[in-house]
Amino acid sequence: QSALTQPPSASGSPGQSVTISCTGTSSDVGGYNYVSWYQQHPGKAPKLMIYEVNKRPSGVPDRFSGSKSGNTASLTVSGLQAEDEADYYCSSYAGSNNFVVVFGGGTKLTVL
Amino acid sequence: QVQLQESGPGLVKPSETLSLTCTVSGGSINSHYWSWIRQPPGKGLEWIGYIFYSGGTNYNPSLKSRVTISVDTSKNQFSLKLSSVTAADTAVYYCATSRYYYYMDVWGKGTTVTVSS
Repeated sequence: QSALTQPPSASGSPGQSVTISCTGTSSDVGGYNYVSWYQQHPGKAPKLMIYEVNKRPSGVPDRFSGSKSGNTASLTVSGLQAEDEADYYCSSYAGSNNFVVVFGGGTKLTVL
Repeated sequence: QVQLQESGPGLVKPSETLSLTCTVSGGSINSHYWSWIRQPPGKGLEWIGYIFYSGGTNYNPSLKSRVTISVDTSKNQFSLKLSSVTAADTAVYYCATSRYYYYMDVWGKGTTVTVSS
């Protein structure tokens, strides 16, 4: 399976909203509501921010939201804060015969 | 809250087998899915595979011929073995867990493995 496609970078000013896209195929993103998003600060382990397209784990601010349309999933960060600057990765279940997972290449979010 | 800690050699010679263990604390390994993910220096995340507590496994097709993930319920640990390693296997290796295999909601801090002679 191929990696999901994310833009390498995104940016926004404090208080603004930014949306990061994650494009796959009908065999992964488009075929199942099993998209998740992870935030990773430098030198740290990834943190789950969104699962099953639009669900937030306990403790994740509601400034983070997820959605999906066709083969493209999106993560929106509203009311940008300095601490949101990080790398963001999407992932998806990817296969009806093999229960495999595929990640996107990652997006570096810069808060200007 | 479950916590995970990776352990194992930080340096492995080319062609040898990389072996890592993830120790589970604060909860039992007798439930959930237990995964391994890696991240080469300066690159993105790569899913390696997972094991269900009862022993069922699934691996990344690109690594399947070299990967074995196992679980030791008596020690509350699960392990990764990657054979015939090359420099391309140099990465930070993370263990993680979740109720479902398609996402990971608890991660270890990661351990760096370098493949070099």
